[in-house]
Amino acid sequence: GAVVSQHPSWVICKSGTSVKIECRSLDFQATTMFWYRQFPKQSLMLMATSNEGSKATYEQGVEKDKFLINHASLTLSTLTVTSAHPEDSSFYICSARAARDNEQFFGPGTRLTVL
Amino acid sequence: AQKVTQAQTEISVVEKEDVTLDCVYETRDTTYYLFWYKQPPSGELVFLIRRNSFDEQNEISGRYSWNFQKSTSSFNFTITASQVVDSAVYFCALSGYSGTYKYIFGTGTRLKVLA
Repeated sequence: GAVVSQHPSWVICKSGTSVKIECRSLDFQATTMFWYRQFPKQSLMLMATSNEGSKATYEQGVEKDKFLINHASLTLSTLTVTSAHPEDSSFYICSARAARDNEQFFGPGTRLTVL
Repeated sequence: AQKVTQAQTEISVVEKEDVTLDCVYETRDTTYYLFWYKQPPSGELVFLIRRNSFDEQNEISGRYSWNFQKSTSSFNFTITASQVVDSAVYFCALSGYSGTYKYIFGTGTRLKVLA
């Protein structure tokens, strides 16, 4: 089946630093990748949608300069949280969709803690 | 606008009881997909089922069953003879046919199965 990996699975960083999270589709080409954020005891909130080779489309209220998304290849998308602050601490989940299907395959998530 | 409502925030049952998780959706699309996911404490989303809008047949998979009723815009999920390992947060999601392939998640239902 379709497998999506994320790296790292967890990260702790100091306030003001930048953190990069990778999302890879391991056995299929991902035309579209999605990034979600989930705060404790809340649902998944879509942050942005990225298509390979194009600029990401951000959801309303998501700062594009703070959450940089790059989808440079059909198997890799990265999310960089720039100048992270404690309020950015959250569980970040990516998903990927192949061109042939509308189903999203989810990564295992990355838990970010900003001190 | 698309919307998914999971009115049950938290449900507690005793092991071996049956439990039904409700999901009500809103969409103007005639073609759409509905999903159920399980999120255990580890955080990784576990895919349970996908159903398209043209397939109203109910589905059974082991102890799990799903009841899709377009007339009431509902896609309910029943666990028969619940087990402690079923304890998790369950999300219902909707994906319309708008071309963006976005998922709209419900707020989730936290299921606690007590031994």
